[in-house]
Formats: sequence, C-alpha cells, structure tokens
Amino acid sequence: DADVTQTPRNRITKTGKRIMLECSQTKGHDRMYWYRQDPGLGLQLIYYSFDVKDINKGEISDGYSVSRQAQAKFSLSLESAIPNQTALYFCATSRGDTQYFGPGTRLTVL
Amino acid sequence: GQQLNQSPQSMFIQEGEDVSMNCTSSSIFNTWLWYKQDPGEGPVLLIALYKAGELTSNGRLTAQFGITRKDSFLNISASIPSDVGIYFCAVNQGGSEKLVFGKGTKLTVNP
Repeated sequence: DADVTQTPRNRITKTGKRIMLECSQTKGHDRMYWYRQDPGLGLQLIYYSFDVKDINKGEISDGYSVSRQAQAKFSLSLESAIPNQTALYFCATSRGDTQYFGPGTRLTVL
Repeated sequence: GQQLNQSPQSMFIQEGEDVSMNCTSSSIFNTWLWYKQDPGEGPVLLIALYKAGELTSNGRLTAQFGITRKDSFLNISASIPSDVGIYFCAVNQGGSEKLVFGKGTKLTVNP
C-alpha cells in the first residue's frame, strides 16, 4: 500500500464550487505539505503543517485553506474554485530532508 | 522568496547519451537535493548533498554540490528510456524541512 495517498485522483468542477482534496499518510511523520504544480513552474508550496496544531502559509496560499484533522490527515480546500486553480496538486510528508509525495490530484476548474 | 534557476528547461536526447543539468541560486544553501518525477506520479528523492564540493553517485546518476554552495549539477550517464521524466533541484530553507524547488528539467529519451 502507498505511504501517502490522495483522493480524488482526478476532479473536474465548475467555477464557484467548493472543493476538498484529501491526503492521508501511514509514515507516521509530523510534517505535511500541499504543493501545486503547473507546467514549467515547478512545485509551489501552498500550505504546510509541522504538527497537528501548527499550520503555516506557503508561497501561494491565497484562495486555499487547509485542515490538519490528525497526524495522518491533511486536507486542502478551495472555497470558491476559479479556472486559474486548474493544476496538479501534491501532498507530501517529511522527516529530515526527504519529502515523500503522494500520487497527485489533477484538478480542472471550468 | 528564494529562487532557483534550473536549466535547461527541457532536453531531447537519444538513448545512450549522457545528460547534464544544473541549478543555481544567488543565495548560499547547506543542502542541495535532486528529485525525479515520473510521468503521472509524485517526485521521488534521487540524491541529497550536504557538503560543499561533495560528489555523490546513485547508479548512473552523479550529483555535485558546488564549492560556492550556490549551485549543483546532476549528470545521467548512458541514458535509457526509463530516465524520462522531470528532474527537480531543491534546497532546504534555513534548517527547516521546508523545501524550495527549481522549475524542473523535462527529459525525453528517444529509443
């Protein structure tokens, strides 16, 4: 079984809809991250959490919110999706310098 | 925020050729990392570098931590089709586990 799982893997939605992307991990790591990937722009950090009570904004947090429900779960929400939030979203966990990424969620906002 | 300049943006090579890509920054870092993203998957760590001048290999991959601590390069020797993917450099910001990634080098290997 995968150590970091993301659901859904693909989602198509409409402008203005609320969307939640979920991430679960079985690695027992305290630190979790949400990234966005756009072609040619690499990975941009949206939010990160160093433990259940610690949530921090990344480079591009506007339009997004997160919830750390438990050590193993970190959810990303788009309160009112817009087309330029169409992207590939990755969750990751870390211990030391190694970040372990989930398989990604491809989100399309029409 | 910190910016990493990764080049080239893309490469198209023949199977068997060697590949070189690099990453530079205007700031000094104590850790340089190289990740690979296979098509349809999340990135995976290939090599981690912790000391200026360090040269580290992982199979056909070799990475070096620049002596100025502002750059790093990754070489792939005798490329094969499964080397296809996007390669990212990354640095560790200020001792935290938060990483900054380069924009990636997309590698295509023609059989």
